[in-house]
Amino acid sequence: QKEVEQDPGPLSVPEGAIVSLNCTYSNSAFQYFMWYRQYSRKGPELLMYTYSSGNKEDGRFTAQVDKSSKYISLFIRDSQPSDSATYLCAMSGGGATNKLIFGTGTLLAVQP
Amino acid sequence: GAVVSQHPSRVICKSGTSVKIECRSLDFQATTMFWYRQFPKKSLMLMATSNEGSKATYEQGVEKDKFLINHASLTLSTLTVTSAHPEDSSFYICSAPGQGAYSPLHFGNGTRLTVT
Repeated sequence: QKEVEQDPGPLSVPEGAIVSLNCTYSNSAFQYFMWYRQYSRKGPELLMYTYSSGNKEDGRFTAQVDKSSKYISLFIRDSQPSDSATYLCAMSGGGATNKLIFGTGTLLAVQP
Repeated sequence: GAVVSQHPSRVICKSGTSVKIECRSLDFQATTMFWYRQFPKKSLMLMATSNEGSKATYEQGVEKDKFLINHASLTLSTLTVTSAHPEDSSFYICSAPGQGAYSPLHFGNGTRLTVT
């Protein structure tokens, strides 16, 4: 079993839709959870960063962490064609920089 | 925010030659930097941790003699792929933690290496 599981997609939605992206994990020691967005041929860009369980909102993006279920989510409201990218979840145990484990990424396409 | 610059963005080289990739932290100091490799439609795989002033720490299965890492200053780490072969063709990305406690990683824009 992989430490972090993420549906690779592709996920295609119409412009304006609410997008839900998810990851599950097996290591209960993970405490830091991140979502990165990666455009084609570019490095990952940090979108959201949360510690432990709970929700965090930043503009159109909301990150949720449910440690009891070992499940994290990223919601994108009012999705735009510019949101089309690969979204990677990442997590680590002691300290955010302590060996990040990445999901495989979900490819999202927002259709105009 | 923290900016990590990586150069070159793309390189094509012949089999048997060596290629150097640079990673710079532009507006902050990074005593530690990380080198990742990404295959198409695959996750990022950590190759090694670059430590300023000391030897890099390599992940299991990564050949340290093939992937030479040097972290000579607080703002620069280099990865040299020695005697490159076609199977080394990949997307290499560096990263560094930002300022402050528990700061998440910031990534460079990656280097697409093609070995012919």
